[in-house]
Amino acid sequence: QSALTQPASVSGSPGQSITISCTGSSRDIGGYNYVSWYQQYPGKAPKLLIYKVVNRPSGISSRFSASKSGNTASLTISGLQAEDEAEYYCCSYSSTSIVDVIFGGGTKLTVL
Amino acid sequence: QLQLQESGSGLVRPSQTLSLTCAVSGASISSDGYSWSWVRQPPGRGLEWIGYIYHSGRNYYNPSLRSRVTISGDRSKNQFSLRLTSVTAADTAIYYCARAPYNYDYGFDFWGQGTLVTVSS
Repeated sequence: QSALTQPASVSGSPGQSITISCTGSSRDIGGYNYVSWYQQYPGKAPKLLIYKVVNRPSGISSRFSASKSGNTASLTISGLQAEDEAEYYCCSYSSTSIVDVIFGGGTKLTVL
Repeated sequence: QLQLQESGSGLVRPSQTLSLTCAVSGASISSDGYSWSWVRQPPGRGLEWIGYIYHSGRNYYNPSLRSRVTISGDRSKNQFSLRLTSVTAADTAIYYCARAPYNYDYGFDFWGQGTLVTVSS
Protein backbone atom coordinates (compact mmCIF):
# COMPACT_ATOMS: atom_id res chain seq x y z
CA GLN A 1 0.00 0.00 0.00
CA SER A 2 1.95 3.02 -1.28
CA ALA A 3 1.15 6.60 -0.42
CA LEU A 4 0.18 8.99 -3.15
CA THR A 5 2.97 11.32 -4.27
CA GLN A 6 2.74 15.03 -3.56
CA PRO A 7 5.41 17.74 -3.74
CA ALA A 8 6.78 18.46 -0.29
CA SER A 9 6.25 22.17 -0.66
CA VAL A 10 4.85 24.86 -2.90
CA SER A 11 4.76 28.61 -2.51
CA GLY A 12 3.04 31.61 -4.00
CA SER A 13 2.40 35.28 -3.44
CA PRO A 14 -0.92 36.75 -2.35
CA GLY A 15 -3.35 36.96 -5.25
CA GLN A 16 -1.57 34.34 -7.31
CA SER A 17 -2.77 30.83 -8.11
CA ILE A 18 -0.96 27.64 -7.18
CA THR A 19 -1.54 24.01 -8.06
CA ILE A 20 -0.67 20.98 -5.96
CA SER A 21 -0.34 17.68 -7.76
CA CYS A 22 -1.05 14.20 -6.41
CA THR A 23 0.18 11.21 -8.38
CA GLY A 24 -0.99 7.67 -7.93
CA SER A 25 -1.71 4.74 -10.19
CA SER A 26 -4.49 3.05 -12.13
CA ARG A 27 -5.42 1.21 -8.92
CA ASP A 28 -6.35 4.43 -7.18
CA ILE A 29 -6.55 7.89 -8.73
CA GLY A 30 -6.56 6.66 -12.30
CA GLY A 31 -9.18 3.99 -11.73
CA TYR A 32 -11.77 5.77 -9.61
CA ASN A 33 -13.29 9.21 -9.11
CA TYR A 34 -12.84 8.97 -5.37
CA VAL A 35 -10.22 11.64 -4.75
CA SER A 36 -10.55 14.03 -1.85
CA TRP A 37 -8.40 16.93 -0.61
CA TYR A 38 -7.82 18.22 2.92
CA GLN A 39 -6.38 21.34 4.47
CA GLN A 40 -4.65 21.06 7.84
CA TYR A 41 -3.31 23.81 10.08
CA PRO A 42 -0.68 22.96 12.72
CA GLY A 43 -2.25 21.33 15.75
CA LYS A 44 -5.66 21.08 14.09
CA ALA A 45 -7.68 18.33 12.49
CA PRO A 46 -7.81 18.08 8.70
CA LYS A 47 -10.65 19.87 6.92
CA LEU A 48 -12.34 18.51 3.80
CA LEU A 49 -11.95 20.82 0.80
CA ILE A 50 -12.88 18.58 -2.14
CA TYR A 51 -14.59 15.20 -2.52
CA LYS A 52 -15.19 12.95 -5.53
CA VAL A 53 -12.45 14.73 -7.49
CA VAL A 54 -14.17 18.08 -8.09
CA ASN A 55 -16.93 18.64 -5.52
CA ARG A 56 -16.75 21.27 -2.78
CA PRO A 57 -18.65 20.74 0.48
CA SER A 58 -20.95 23.52 1.58
CA GLY A 59 -18.99 26.45 2.99
CA ILE A 60 -15.75 25.84 1.09
CA SER A 61 -14.59 28.82 -0.93
CA SER A 62 -14.79 28.65 -4.71
CA ARG A 63 -11.12 29.67 -4.71
CA PHE A 64 -10.46 25.96 -4.18
CA SER A 65 -10.91 23.82 -7.27
CA ALA A 66 -9.66 20.42 -8.34
CA SER A 67 -9.36 18.11 -11.29
CA LYS A 68 -7.94 14.79 -12.41
CA SER A 69 -6.08 13.60 -15.48
CA GLY A 70 -4.99 10.01 -15.75
CA ASN A 71 -3.25 8.95 -12.56
CA THR A 72 -2.73 12.51 -11.31
CA ALA A 73 -5.14 14.69 -9.35
CA SER A 74 -4.61 18.40 -8.83
CA LEU A 75 -5.79 21.02 -6.36
CA THR A 76 -5.74 24.65 -7.44
CA ILE A 77 -6.02 27.57 -5.06
CA SER A 78 -6.71 30.87 -6.78
CA GLY A 79 -6.45 34.37 -5.32
CA LEU A 80 -3.97 33.12 -2.75
CA GLN A 81 -4.44 34.53 0.76
CA ALA A 82 -2.24 34.44 3.84
CA GLU A 83 -4.78 32.19 5.57
CA ASP A 84 -4.22 29.53 2.90
CA GLU A 85 -0.80 28.76 4.36
CA ALA A 86 -1.25 25.21 5.62
CA GLU A 87 -0.54 21.57 4.84
CA TYR A 88 -2.61 19.96 2.07
CA TYR A 89 -3.29 16.25 1.66
CA CYS A 90 -4.83 14.29 -1.18
CA CYS A 91 -6.63 11.03 -0.56
CA SER A 92 -8.00 8.27 -2.76
CA TYR A 93 -9.76 4.97 -2.66
CA SER A 94 -7.43 2.16 -3.72
CA SER A 95 -8.30 -1.26 -5.09
CA THR A 96 -5.32 -2.98 -3.52
CA SER A 97 -7.72 -4.49 -1.00
CA ILE A 98 -11.51 -4.82 -0.71
CA VAL A 99 -11.59 -1.35 0.75
CA ASP A 100 -8.46 0.70 1.07
CA VAL A 101 -7.95 4.40 1.47
CA ILE A 102 -4.57 6.02 0.93
CA PHE A 103 -3.28 9.53 1.54
CA GLY A 104 -0.58 11.58 -0.07
CA GLY A 105 2.44 12.59 1.97
CA GLY A 106 1.25 16.18 2.24
CA THR A 107 2.30 19.50 0.69
CA LYS A 108 3.25 22.54 2.74
CA LEU A 109 1.92 25.70 1.12
CA THR A 110 3.81 28.86 1.97
CA VAL A 111 2.27 32.23 1.14
CA LEU A 112 5.16 34.59 0.52
CA GLN B 1 -24.12 20.32 15.02
CA LEU B 2 -22.12 17.12 14.61
CA GLN B 3 -19.31 16.61 17.09
CA LEU B 4 -16.81 13.80 17.43
CA GLN B 5 -14.72 13.47 20.57
CA GLU B 6 -11.86 11.02 21.01
CA SER B 7 -10.90 9.69 24.41
CA GLY B 8 -8.65 6.99 25.80
CA SER B 9 -5.25 6.29 27.21
CA GLY B 10 -2.55 8.73 26.13
CA LEU B 11 0.34 6.45 27.09
CA VAL B 12 0.56 2.79 26.14
CA ARG B 13 3.40 0.38 26.91
CA PRO B 14 5.06 -1.45 24.02
CA SER B 15 3.37 -4.78 23.18
CA GLN B 16 0.20 -3.68 24.98
CA THR B 17 -3.17 -2.76 23.47
CA LEU B 18 -4.19 0.75 22.47
CA SER B 19 -7.86 1.53 23.13
CA LEU B 20 -9.70 4.67 22.05
CA THR B 21 -13.33 5.72 21.88
CA CYS B 22 -15.04 8.28 19.67
CA ALA B 23 -18.22 9.76 21.15
CA VAL B 24 -20.58 11.06 18.50
CA SER B 25 -23.18 13.77 19.11
CA GLY B 26 -25.48 15.38 16.60
CA ALA B 27 -25.82 12.23 14.50
CA SER B 28 -26.43 8.54 15.00
CA ILE B 29 -23.80 5.96 14.09
CA SER B 30 -26.73 3.66 13.27
CA SER B 31 -28.06 5.93 10.54
CA ASP B 32 -27.86 4.69 7.00
CA GLY B 33 -25.66 6.74 4.72
CA TYR B 34 -22.54 7.12 6.82
CA SER B 35 -19.44 5.22 7.82
CA TRP B 36 -17.20 6.06 10.74
CA SER B 37 -13.48 5.88 10.59
CA TRP B 38 -10.18 6.17 12.42
CA VAL B 39 -7.23 8.00 10.88
CA ARG B 40 -3.85 8.55 12.52
CA GLN B 41 -0.95 10.92 12.06
CA PRO B 42 2.52 10.32 13.53
CA PRO B 43 4.03 13.56 14.88
CA GLY B 44 5.28 15.70 12.02
CA ARG B 45 4.17 13.20 9.39
CA GLY B 46 1.27 12.43 7.08
CA LEU B 47 -2.14 10.85 7.50
CA GLU B 48 -2.86 7.12 7.55
CA TRP B 49 -6.29 5.55 7.30
CA ILE B 50 -6.85 2.81 9.89
CA GLY B 51 -10.32 1.51 9.10
CA TYR B 52 -14.07 1.98 8.83
CA ILE B 53 -17.17 0.75 10.55
CA TYR B 54 -20.36 1.08 8.54
CA HIS B 55 -23.80 1.75 10.00
CA SER B 56 -24.50 -1.95 9.52
CA GLY B 57 -21.56 -2.83 11.72
CA ARG B 58 -19.43 -4.13 8.86
CA ASN B 59 -15.72 -3.29 9.04
CA TYR B 60 -12.93 -2.62 6.60
CA TYR B 61 -9.34 -2.16 7.69
CA ASN B 62 -6.06 -0.90 6.30
CA PRO B 63 -4.34 -4.04 4.97
CA SER B 64 -1.11 -3.12 6.75
CA LEU B 65 -2.86 -2.99 10.14
CA ARG B 66 -5.60 -5.57 9.64
CA SER B 67 -4.03 -8.25 11.83
CA ARG B 68 -3.91 -5.88 14.84
CA VAL B 69 -6.99 -3.68 14.47
CA THR B 70 -10.57 -3.94 15.65
CA ILE B 71 -13.16 -1.19 15.23
CA SER B 72 -16.46 -1.71 17.00
CA GLY B 73 -19.61 0.29 17.57
CA ASP B 74 -21.83 0.80 20.62
CA ARG B 75 -25.22 1.99 19.39
CA SER B 76 -26.58 2.45 22.89
CA LYS B 77 -23.86 5.00 23.66
CA ASN B 78 -23.59 6.31 20.09
CA GLN B 79 -19.87 5.78 20.00
CA PHE B 80 -17.32 3.65 18.21
CA SER B 81 -14.01 2.33 19.38
CA LEU B 82 -10.56 1.39 18.19
CA ARG B 83 -8.38 -1.39 19.53
CA LEU B 84 -4.84 -1.82 18.26
CA THR B 85 -2.87 -4.71 19.68
CA SER B 86 0.85 -5.35 20.06
CA VAL B 87 1.77 -1.69 19.73
CA THR B 88 5.27 -0.39 19.09
CA ALA B 89 6.81 3.06 19.00
CA ALA B 90 5.73 3.25 15.35
CA ASP B 91 2.14 3.45 16.56
CA THR B 92 2.79 6.74 18.35
CA ALA B 93 0.50 9.22 16.64
CA ILE B 94 -2.41 11.59 16.89
CA TYR B 95 -5.52 9.47 16.40
CA TYR B 96 -8.56 11.07 14.77
CA CYS B 97 -12.06 9.76 14.38
CA ALA B 98 -13.99 10.95 11.34
CA ARG B 99 -17.24 10.54 9.45
CA ALA B 100 -17.54 9.63 5.77
CA PRO B 101 -20.92 10.07 4.06
CA TYR B 102 -21.57 7.38 1.49
CA ASN B 103 -22.30 10.01 -1.16
CA TYR B 104 -18.88 11.56 -0.53
CA ASP B 105 -17.24 8.30 -1.61
CA TYR B 106 -14.44 8.01 0.95
CA GLY B 107 -14.31 11.74 1.71
CA PHE B 108 -14.20 12.51 5.44
CA ASP B 109 -16.44 15.49 6.15
CA PHE B 110 -16.26 15.77 9.94
CA TRP B 111 -13.27 15.07 12.19
CA GLY B 112 -12.67 14.93 15.90
CA GLN B 113 -9.97 17.13 17.38
CA GLY B 114 -7.61 14.18 17.70
CA THR B 115 -5.90 12.59 20.66
CA LEU B 116 -2.18 11.91 21.03
CA VAL B 117 -1.19 8.38 21.93
CA THR B 118 2.41 7.75 22.87
CA VAL B 119 3.85 4.25 22.96
CA SER B 120 6.67 4.15 25.44
CA SER B 121 7.91 2.13 28.38
